[in-house]
Amino acid sequence: DTEVTQTPKHLVMGMTNKKSLKCEQHMGHRAMYWYKQKAKKPPELMFVYSYEKLSINESVPSRFSPECPNSSLLNLHLHALQPEDSALYLCASSQDVKEYTEAFFGQGTRLTVV
Amino acid sequence: AQSVTQPDIHITVSEGASLELRCNYSYGATPYLFWYVQSPGQGLQLLLKYFSGDTLVQGIKGFEAEFKRSQSSFNLRKPSVHWSDAAEYFCAVGAPRDDKIIFGKGTRLHILP
Repeated sequence: DTEVTQTPKHLVMGMTNKKSLKCEQHMGHRAMYWYKQKAKKPPELMFVYSYEKLSINESVPSRFSPECPNSSLLNLHLHALQPEDSALYLCASSQDVKEYTEAFFGQGTRLTVV
Repeated sequence: AQSVTQPDIHITVSEGASLELRCNYSYGATPYLFWYVQSPGQGLQLLLKYFSGDTLVQGIKGFEAEFKRSQSSFNLRKPSVHWSDAAEYFCAVGAPRDDKIIFGKGTRLHILP
């Protein structure tokens, strides 16, 4: 199983809503990532979790709150988002950030903030 | 810090023609290098990677890339493209003992019938 599964595939939310994006992998990877990708742009790193601990926060606004409940799951909690936060949110995992191997990406969640 | 440059925003080739997508990186030592492909609205799929060893790397879907340290380049090649190769291609660079990889801005590949 080399899949990273993201749910939901599409999400429309209002600026006052609270929602969560979910990501799951069963490859035994110990590093997991959230990326944000705007149209016609490359993915931009948001957060990195290594061994279930947050290791990198790329100065992401606090309206985005990551959570890693266990080694297979990664969540991104969303609250009070802005329309400019509309984007494709990609989750990825890799074996270990310190002995780097390739990152496997999920299909993404297409988020629209209205 | 590492960085990566893809000089071509768009590339158009005819079906059956050869392809080369350019990628240049900046890093003080030997980085980890990747090429990913992304179809519209989809996630990223790894085509190939270079960590060390043989500088000519074979990937999936008939792609290959060559690491040239002297030119700080990692160009992607395919001898004969198919219409299904039309997509966005991202070169990415990572560093040993670093927690992240950095993506280039991408090259959109268009295929003429």
